[in-house]
Amino acid sequence: QSVLTQPPSASGTPGQRVTISCSGSSSNVGSNTVNWYQQLPGTAPKLLIYSNNQRPSGVPDRFSGSKSGTSASLAISGLQSEDEADYYCAAWDDSLNGPVFGGGTKLTVL
Amino acid sequence: QVQLVESGGGLVKPGGSLRLSCAASGFTFSDYYMSWIRQAPGKGLEWVSYISSSGSTIYYADSVKGRFTISRDNAKNSLYLQMNSLRAEDTAVYYCARAKQLVPPGIWGQGTTVTVSS
Repeated sequence: QSVLTQPPSASGTPGQRVTISCSGSSSNVGSNTVNWYQQLPGTAPKLLIYSNNQRPSGVPDRFSGSKSGTSASLAISGLQSEDEADYYCAAWDDSLNGPVFGGGTKLTVL
Repeated sequence: QVQLVESGGGLVKPGGSLRLSCAASGFTFSDYYMSWIRQAPGKGLEWVSYISSSGSTIYYADSVKGRFTISRDNAKNSLYLQMNSLRAEDTAVYYCARAKQLVPPGIWGQGTTVTVSS
């Protein structure tokens, strides 16, 4: 059972906007920044969003992140077929002295 | 460009040992925390261990504490994970990842597969 809670699945049609939620607690999301990762099938996770809402160079601005209190969310606008992947949120946990992850959300582009 | 290349994975019997290595390039290795993250087949991501840039601060997940040892050699730009008393539940892809203090990892390697089975 993951420390951070994400919906197991999400879906949308090409061009749509989808959001993925990530719920934590005061010891992780509530007090530290959130990262989001994209994992395509058979590949390593790739950093998509860091520090709640910052995009590494090369990540399209279709991807955006936000955080409020003990929850965070990832939004993907202008959905494309290549966005079909697993998405994970993560945050440092002050009680566990390590990063904690969400269980992952499988995004399907219909 | 930043590159992390893991090696050392393989098939090992329960109770056995394995040492994973991660070769880093494209950045100043000694400036960064490093971490090991694993992913069991069909499962999500699980933090294993973190080590500070100097190696003086180390954190372990409870699931591996006392069995796994993380270390680094800044002169060789390398990160290691010594895994002892391996169990079936340690079967996973192990990723080496660059990190910062109190922040989840950023750049990840391609992973190395560890299978614990008799």
